Amino acid sequence: DTEVTQTPKHLVMGMTNKKSLKCEQHMGHRAMYWYKQKAKKPPELMFVYSYEKLSINESVPSRFSPECPNSSLLNLHLHALQPEDSALYLCASSQAWAVRSGNTIYFGEGSWLTVV
Amino acid sequence: QKEVEQDPGPLSVPEGAIVSLNCTYSNSAFQYFMWYRQYSRKGPELLMYTYSSGNKEDGRFTAQVDKSSKYISLFIRDSQPSDSATYLCAMSANQAGTALIFGKGTTLSVSS
Repeated sequence: DTEVTQTPKHLVMGMTNKKSLKCEQHMGHRAMYWYKQKAKKPPELMFVYSYEKLSINESVPSRFSPECPNSSLLNLHLHALQPEDSALYLCASSQAWAVRSGNTIYFGEGSWLTVV
Repeated sequence: QKEVEQDPGPLSVPEGAIVSLNCTYSNSAFQYFMWYRQYSRKGPELLMYTYSSGNKEDGRFTAQVDKSSKYISLFIRDSQPSDSATYLCAMSANQAGTALIFGKGTTLSVSS
């Protein structure tokens, strides 16, 4: 079982709603990530937090707002989304913001988001 | 040319077959190579992790990296219906702050 926990597993929201996706890890990892995955596509990196600071924002629209309250938690706040934002949103973590020997990225089960 | 190329399949094999999944890449700086398995509607699960060239074996799974050819493979022996999933290769350079680059994934179906 994955040690990265995401909630909710499924979310349906209207284009005017505000909702949040939550992620938690207790592996002591200091890097956390949000990825977006569309059907039959590989995961696409959205954001990287390293030591609770936003390190990477891959030109993600402002309707997606990440937040890292502490080293174990990562949130993704959603507002005014579009139907094309419907996808699987994956949280991941690793020991540090670099893939080095023994440092690999572990994914959660994902949150399925449908925007109507 | 894309950084990582992976044949999306689908690949269909009978139970017990040996499966070979492959990726090629163009960035010679890549040193870390991973294979993830993703079941339908689930997150990717790390299967194998290798550094630089060589082989790594874990049960029925063997990962091979040939850096001179920029080619990596995952072999599955005695394939089972439970191996039916999408297999994603991923790789990264040895630099802080570099992202993991994924292949498109190969969909495997093992029939009993």
